[in-house]
Amino acid sequence: DAGVTQSPTHLIKTRGQQVTLRCSPKSGHDTVSWYQQALGQGPQFIFQYYEEEERQRGNFPDRFSGHQFPNYSSELNVNALLLGDSALYLCASRLAGGDNEQFFGPGTRLTVL
Amino acid sequence: EDQVTQSPEALRLQEGESSSLNCSYTVSGLRGLFWYRQDPGKGPEFLFTLYSAGEEKEKERLKATLTKKESFLHITAPKPEDSATYLCAVLGQAGTALIFGKGTTLSVSS
Repeated sequence: DAGVTQSPTHLIKTRGQQVTLRCSPKSGHDTVSWYQQALGQGPQFIFQYYEEEERQRGNFPDRFSGHQFPNYSSELNVNALLLGDSALYLCASRLAGGDNEQFFGPGTRLTVL
Repeated sequence: EDQVTQSPEALRLQEGESSSLNCSYTVSGLRGLFWYRQDPGKGPEFLFTLYSAGEEKEKERLKATLTKKESFLHITAPKPEDSATYLCAVLGQAGTALIFGKGTTLSVSS
């Protein structure tokens, strides 16, 4: 049973650049959420995608955008990177209408210099 | 506003020394309380879901309990491999986002 996968594992960017992170959900799951986790903090919700639409959004600026594809995979895009965007970006998937349990991928470590 | 507070921030135990981690929460219409384990630099690993006060779940040396205001993660006779950060999260009636606490970092020494 394939779990949640994310790519790349690590990424180094400079301020002002743009980045795209990718996520494939757990087999059978159709809903994908993205979280940002700063060092020493709990994950913070960015947004959730279901049926290729943004279903809910957390308190993040418009520089953060996303997309969900027909195969349920998802991308997170961040424009005009700031030093404060350095964090572990986590993708989580669940089955809509099922239990509310969300399963996380290994994360992408983004460093902005 | 939904909120989760975990205590203590850090806990050091000797192997075999049992203890409990606390998760206090305020949420409008709890739809689930979740415990995760996170190793350094990795994604959170799902442990338990609790839905209503009085519910208990067990897995190996871990036992999670839930009241109307808090949850406890009891660790019985811990081993060094139980060392990790344990995260608590709630799902409220208002949305689909998990609200996390900052976690408790557990270190178990032999």
